[in-house]
Amino acid sequence: QSALTQPASVSGSPGQSITISCTGTSSDVGGYNYVSWYQQHPGTAPKLMIYEVSNRPSGVSNRFSGSKSGNTASLTISGLQPEDEADYYCSSYRSSSTLVVFGGGTKLTVL
Amino acid sequence: QVQLVQSGAEVKMPGSAVKVSCKASGGTFNSYTISWVRQAPGQGLEWMGGIIPIFGTSNYAQKFQGRVSITTDESTTTAYMELSSLRSEDTAVYYCAIVYGGNWEFDYWGQGTLVTVSS
Repeated sequence: QSALTQPASVSGSPGQSITISCTGTSSDVGGYNYVSWYQQHPGTAPKLMIYEVSNRPSGVSNRFSGSKSGNTASLTISGLQPEDEADYYCSSYRSSSTLVVFGGGTKLTVL
Repeated sequence: QVQLVQSGAEVKMPGSAVKVSCKASGGTFNSYTISWVRQAPGQGLEWMGGIIPIFGTSNYAQKFQGRVSITTDESTTTAYMELSSLRSEDTAVYYCAIVYGGNWEFDYWGQGTLVTVSS
């Protein structure tokens, strides 16, 4: 069982918007603004898409956005494109000996 | 721009140990925070530990404490992850990843190293 809870799968049609949730506790997601999101295509390494809840690294499309409310963070992808089909993972700093925790991952299908 | 190149795939017997390397190029090696993250087949990501300069020592996830060692060699700008007492559940792709200039987000990742534990 992963430390952060994500839905196993979400789907949407091209052009639509989807949101992936990531629920933790006050020791991680709720307590710090150190939530990140990663995109992973099959057979490749993860790629950073969002950091510190809502910041996009250089080169990441502005169709990707992040937010947080209480112990739940969210990743929204607008204007879905076929190449967005991938697994998405959230992560957070945690105030424990295990400093970084991940969600179980969400498989995004673009119909 | 930072590049991370990991060592090749390994096949290990249960009970043995494996040491995976991660050579970094670009940037300033001492300014990195280097972590190791693993991914079992068909499973999610799992942080194992890392070397965090502000703490000055290696930090390990509770699950791996006593079984993992993460070190760096500044002369070759290489990080190492050694995992001992291997069991079949340790079969996974092991990634090195760095925090470069930020806080707790991994900006750059190695290509991954598949470690297979099998008798």
